[in-house]
Amino acid sequence: DAGVIQSPRHEVTEMGQEVTLRCKPISGHNSLFWYRQTMMRGLELLIYFNNNVPIDDSGMPEDRFSAKMPNASFSTLKIQPSEPRDSAVYFCASSLTGVSPLHFGNGTRLTVT
Amino acid sequence: GESVGLHLPTLSVQEGDNSIINCAYSNSASDYFIWYKQESGKGPQFIIDIRSNMDKRQGQRVTVLLNKTVKHLSLQIAATQPGDSAVYFCAPLGGNTPLVFGKGTRLSVIA
Repeated sequence: DAGVIQSPRHEVTEMGQEVTLRCKPISGHNSLFWYRQTMMRGLELLIYFNNNVPIDDSGMPEDRFSAKMPNASFSTLKIQPSEPRDSAVYFCASSLTGVSPLHFGNGTRLTVT
Repeated sequence: GESVGLHLPTLSVQEGDNSIINCAYSNSASDYFIWYKQESGKGPQFIIDIRSNMDKRQGQRVTVLLNKTVKHLSLQIAATQPGDSAVYFCAPLGGNTPLVFGKGTRLSVIA
């Protein structure tokens, strides 16, 4: 298996632009998680899905952030409009169930200027 | 101005020595514990896990100890190698809480 695949690997954008991060979980995994990692706050859980349904989005910073999982093999995290403080590494992870080990992608490094 | 960042506990170990990384948790409902290793530029990777009905579990060069009484677990790495340099996270699960990571411990191996 190729593991969790995230794209793009790096994204540089200007403040105010829309940013879309993509994730392909491991086939057969029914839970998907979006995390954000910064030096200031460490690794933060933003939202997670079970069977394509959002279960807990309390970690999403504000309404500028939205996540979707239209099917079992694809998820997006969108930031609109983006701000410099959104600069971080965004990780997607999937797991077989909600209580089994997570498999992380290699992240998307987002820089908003 | 001065920037304030997340101060990671750091453990420096001589190559070949054993490393012990500690983790305290607070949720007494936690019944499953996972250790992850994050190397620079990569996502966290699963190392080893332990369930609350055990107090010790061994893998290849790694051992996890769990003390539920004091809500503490440790990760022991035998014969530490330069490739072990990374940030290590423990992640308790249970009580219907999603996987939340602590700030981690940075392990630096001195060659």
